[in-house]
Amino acid sequence: NAGVTQTPKFQVLKTGQSMTLQCAQDMNHEYMSWYRQDPGMGLRLIHYSVGAGITDQGEVPNGYNVSRSTTEDFPLRLLSAAPSQTSVYFCASTTTGGVNEQFFGPGTRLTVL
Amino acid sequence: AQSVSQHNHHVILSEAASLELGCNYSYGGTVNLFWYVQYPGQHLQLLLKYFSGDPLVKGIKGFEAEFIKSKFSFNLRKPSVQWSDTAEYFCAVKIYNQGGKLIFGQGTELSVKP
Repeated sequence: NAGVTQTPKFQVLKTGQSMTLQCAQDMNHEYMSWYRQDPGMGLRLIHYSVGAGITDQGEVPNGYNVSRSTTEDFPLRLLSAAPSQTSVYFCASTTTGGVNEQFFGPGTRLTVL
Repeated sequence: AQSVSQHNHHVILSEAASLELGCNYSYGGTVNLFWYVQYPGQHLQLLLKYFSGDPLVKGIKGFEAEFIKSKFSFNLRKPSVQWSDTAEYFCAVKIYNQGGKLIFGQGTELSVKP
């Protein structure tokens, strides 16, 4: 199993540009989520999904969109990038039942100029 | 709203020193508790988790944590740290019956001097 994969690893955008961060998992996990990591603030939940076709907002959803058309994929879209979105983005997945931990992807480091 | 608080933002220790990182959460119901570690340039990895039973949980690499329900705490400990333990440590809480959603603390950066 590849686990949770993310692409790209690094990205530089100009203010106003749009892009999609890709996330995929091959563990048949129902739950997937996106976090952003900023110094001194830990990981903050952007959006999450409990299954295909179901998404919901987390703590910091503004400026981001998500969709979940398949169990495996959970892309994060930045519609109009802003410098405040400069961050490291992590995708994670887990099963919704039991006490399984979340498995994290390697992250995408995004810089918005 | 539920929250997780890690009291130490940056801890500096010498090798062989003992470590204790504090974690407190604000929720009165049933929780599952986790400690994750992030080595420089890497993604988060699970150190240990608690869901029920013995409140003293042992994890990988000699780490352990104790759940004290009355104090809403889940402190991480290691008797003797090594230079390779230099990393950022995150405490996280999962509220029972709220699916997979995790609430993270702010993180504690640990620097171990050789």
